[in-house]
Amino acid sequence: AQSVTQPDIHITVSEGASLELRCNYSYGATPYLFWYVQSPGQGLQLLLKYFSGDTLVQGIKGFEAEFKRSQSSFNLRKPSVHWSDAAEYFCAVGSNDYKLSFGAGTTVTVRA
Amino acid sequence: ETGVTQTPRHLVMGMTNKKSLKCEQHLGHNAMYWYKQSAKKPLELMFVYNFKEQTENNSVPSRFSPECPNSSHLFLHLHTLQPEDSALYLCASSQERELGTDTQYFGPGTRLTVL
Repeated sequence: AQSVTQPDIHITVSEGASLELRCNYSYGATPYLFWYVQSPGQGLQLLLKYFSGDTLVQGIKGFEAEFKRSQSSFNLRKPSVHWSDAAEYFCAVGSNDYKLSFGAGTTVTVRA
Repeated sequence: ETGVTQTPRHLVMGMTNKKSLKCEQHLGHNAMYWYKQSAKKPLELMFVYNFKEQTENNSVPSRFSPECPNSSHLFLHLHTLQPEDSALYLCASSQERELGTDTQYFGPGTRLTVL
């Protein structure tokens, strides 16, 4: 089986500051990894995904994530956050054998 | 209209009511999903349809009944719900039924409140 842990329930960051959201997964083989964002009142939107190849993945809205197999992590980063980045962020892991498993989410608050 | 749409966006119902949620995808995808999203919990996969055939029922109570008349439309029929069923119900679609690897595209959800 596979699972995802997002250790941070809530993060507050100042506008213009950097942001890093943590994601740890549990899966024996090479996983398929996703980050989704959910703005208030909206569904989930894909930010980026990793299947293979370069372990640093670029996504939309200036986000990037790095796959580290040795740490079973897929942390999401943004160098400079904007007020519009306030949302809930979900990490998900999938594979050819199992359905997509989501973490419980991290809520990001951006202060002026 | 593009993407995945869901109606209604908000629904309040009593425990004895019968209502339906509707999802429509305009992406030409072959797989559609229902998820339940409760506060601070991971998304719970409820049902999966691939080419109109139900391929997954994740131990969902029978008071939730899905219907997929074609690859573009998905319904969730609700009856005799409980207050703990109050949640955001999300519909998603993907190109194929590769549950763990395909990118899923989500609708905005229906916020359901059961009184």
